[in-house]
Parts: sequence; structure tokens; C-alpha cells
Amino acid sequence: EVQLLESGGGLVQPGGSLRLSCGGSGTIFSRFAMSWVRQAPGKGLEWVAGISVSGGSTHYTDSVKGRFTISRDNSKNTLYLQMDRLRGEDTAVYYCAKADGRVVLNSFDSWGQGTRVTVPS
Amino acid sequence: QLVVTQSPSASASLGASVKLTCTLTSGHSQYAIAWHQQQPERGPRYLMRVNGDGSHIKGDGISDRFSGSSSGAERYLTISSLQSEDEADYYCQSWGAGVVVFGGGTKLTVL
Repeated sequence: EVQLLESGGGLVQPGGSLRLSCGGSGTIFSRFAMSWVRQAPGKGLEWVAGISVSGGSTHYTDSVKGRFTISRDNSKNTLYLQMDRLRGEDTAVYYCAKADGRVVLNSFDSWGQGTRVTVPS
Repeated sequence: QLVVTQSPSASASLGASVKLTCTLTSGHSQYAIAWHQQQPERGPRYLMRVNGDGSHIKGDGISDRFSGSSSGAERYLTISSLQSEDEADYYCQSWGAGVVVFGGGTKLTVL
């Protein structure tokens, strides 16, 4: 079973940038597609972005296209989310999630505990 | 456009059973979904995947009290012998056509 631990969250002003990281341990990280999912205060889950095993294929929800970049370093068992031009509506807890296989768009079978991002509006 | 819909709330008594529903949009009635549980102040936990044929594959360590099924465009999560720790938000998730979508979640109250 893979364990996932996010870091890098914090308070950032509108228009600013932040990079989230997610470290994976246990099951070989590099065998699975990964995603970021967020949850705004008091709201439900929202998929943000996903990345293939090699990193060569990425997908984004429309509201973050052009502002967020998902990437991974399999040698470090780490997933990243670079968030630029942040807005108040990006305020949320961000979770990394492991896909149930190599396909990016897939069910998620492991979750991290989340890291909080706050962008004052 | 792929959308999954859930009732916002459900309730059942301690020791009873409850069946939660996730409905796929027409044209996507054969899609698989996944169920996730989120207890208060915690991250989500994967429960199971439910396929269009009704078969389901549970996550590691998920109790036998949790089961999944399917009928048409509806996917179900049944929890039997309800316990207090089952009080949580339950989300269904589906994927395809370049996106991953979540339902709005069902808040389950154990009476």
C-alpha cells in the first residue's frame, strides 16, 4: 500500500505562486498515474489535475488550465503542483491521489492527508 | 458531459442498513464509479470501485459491511450493521472524456 504525504501549503496573496509536493512511499510510486484533488472550505471534492506514469500526459480541469502545472519526479517518488496566478477561489485543502493503475483518468485508491492553501479574496 | 449526482443527505439508525445512490448522466450509464468516505476533519478514503455490470472491487481493509451494486445509470453503496464511525460524507467519482468528476457528496447521519 502506498502512503502519500503532501506539503507546501500556506497563505499566499492573490496573483502569487505556490508549489505543492506529495511524497509517496511503499508501493512503487512510478508505476501509477497520480492526481491532485482539492476541497474548498465546506464544499465537496474537485479534481484539479492528473499526470501519467512517465509525466508525458497531463490533464487539467478548466478553471486551472494555464495557471497550474502538474509534474512528477519518479526518482524522488514525488508529485508536484505548481500553482501560479492564484485566486481566492483556489483556497482549499489539496490532496494528492494515486490512480488505480497507469491510466490518468481512473479511480483513486489512495489519498494523502492534504495540505491547506489559503488565498485571501 | 459526464456528471454524477448524489442526494445531499441520508440517515439511518445504528445497526440498520442504508443504501446510497450515485446517478450517472444519460449516455454514460455504463461507466464505472468509485466510492470514497470522508470522516469529519479527515482526508478521503477509497472504499470501492463499482462497474457498470454491478461487480465491485473493494479497497484494502474495507469492511464486509460495505458493498456495491449497479442498476442502469445508478450505482449504489450499501452499508450494513451501521456503526457510529460510519457517520461521514460519501462521494462518488467517475472519469472519462478527459475529466474526472465527483458527485456533491452524501452526508450520512447515524441516528
